[in-house]
Amino acid sequence: GIQVEQSPPDLILQEGANSTLRCNFSDSVNNLQWFHQNPWGQLINLFYIPSGTKQNGRLSATTVATERYSLLYISSSQTTDSGVYFCAGGFYNQGGKLIFGQGTELSVKP
Amino acid sequence: NAGVTQTPKFQVLKTGQSMTLQCAQDMNHNSMYWYRQDPGMGLRLIYYSASEGTTDKGEVPNGYNVSRLNKREFSLRLESAAPSQTSVYFCASSFNGGTGQPQHFGDGTRLSIL
Repeated sequence: GIQVEQSPPDLILQEGANSTLRCNFSDSVNNLQWFHQNPWGQLINLFYIPSGTKQNGRLSATTVATERYSLLYISSSQTTDSGVYFCAGGFYNQGGKLIFGQGTELSVKP
Repeated sequence: NAGVTQTPKFQVLKTGQSMTLQCAQDMNHNSMYWYRQDPGMGLRLIYYSASEGTTDKGEVPNGYNVSRLNKREFSLRLESAAPSQTSVYFCASSFNGGTGQPQHFGDGTRLSIL
């Protein structure tokens, strides 16, 4: 079946460091989204990015659909960036359903 | 603007009891979704509704039923709860799932079944 794989599974950073999270998917996507789940369990949509590059403050994301991967960049990390980052792919002929990766758990230390 | 509202936030049930989880969105979205999240795992789709009047199974539908009551509301029912259904349940909505639109999530319902 269709698979979405994220790496690394967990990451520890010092405040101020930069990081790159990766998402690989096994088939062509028409929908790729990145989410942040904060320590209280809330899921926040960071990016809807089926292709190309987008930036939102210290965060940016790039999806290279032809090579079946997406990257999430976090610059100058802050303790409030801690939590779990999920990517989720929507695939052609799947009716808008998203398949989630297992997540990258990020801990930013002061 | 509340976004996606789920009730209740917490619930404890005994095995065999039934329960309905409620979800409402005020963003005029057409598509709605129910997911479950188990410890250390990503989210898995239980059921979704692409538009008012339609529902379809996701990855893990067994033991659940859904009702798209109207455009705003999408409920999830456990007819006979089992300990394996202990999980955090999230409802989400998007403007039009078929064309790939951002999904927005509620805060979740934490359900424990003893």
